Amino acid sequence: NAGVMQNPRHLVRRRGQEARLRCSPVKGHSHVYWYRQLPEEGLKFMVYLQKENIIDESGMPKERFSAEFPKEGPSILRIQQVVRGDSAAYFCASSPGNTGSGYTFGSGTRLTVV
Amino acid sequence: KNQVEQSPQSLIILEGKNCTLQCNYTVSPFSNLRWYKQDTGRGPVSLTIMTFSENTKSNGRYTATLDADTKQSSLHITASQLSDSASYICVVSANTGNQFYFGTGTSLTVIP
Repeated sequence: NAGVMQNPRHLVRRRGQEARLRCSPVKGHSHVYWYRQLPEEGLKFMVYLQKENIIDESGMPKERFSAEFPKEGPSILRIQQVVRGDSAAYFCASSPGNTGSGYTFGSGTRLTVV
Repeated sequence: KNQVEQSPQSLIILEGKNCTLQCNYTVSPFSNLRWYKQDTGRGPVSLTIMTFSENTKSNGRYTATLDADTKQSSLHITASQLSDSASYICVVSANTGNQFYFGTGTSLTVIP
């Protein structure tokens, strides 16, 4: 029973390129959350998705960032035209659908923009 | 406004000593409170989860307490080890909206 799988673990992009971060939730979990963590800072909520739906994207920057969780396949966090300030660790968590039960984090993707 | 505040922001203790981390929250209606340990470069790992009716819960050398009346929780670490050096994050969830509210964490460093 694998946990939340994120890939890649490390991603290096030049300014202006696109970054795609993938998150496969725990089997059976239909809810996915994305968080960003800057160096020496806490986790900051970005977006909460259920299968094929964005429930809450209040933490997502209005431009360049998008997220999806299709019916089949992993959730994708997409950052277009990356800038140096996008360098951070991006964590994904999944849950089966209510706050009382398992809420598991992945190991994160470290994005470095050069 | 739903908020979670942790103190202290950072803490340095000698190996073998005990310590207590604090978490105050204003999240309502309260569902549960979790403590996570995040090692440097890793994702957070759950230590304990407590619901409204639970006052204390232990996981090895970690003991969490919850006072739902004052909306405070603490995480007590006994006989600290070097491997306890990490960030400890308090996460509170509400009964509505399936949302989780994060504290900014306490950075613990255990020195020999």
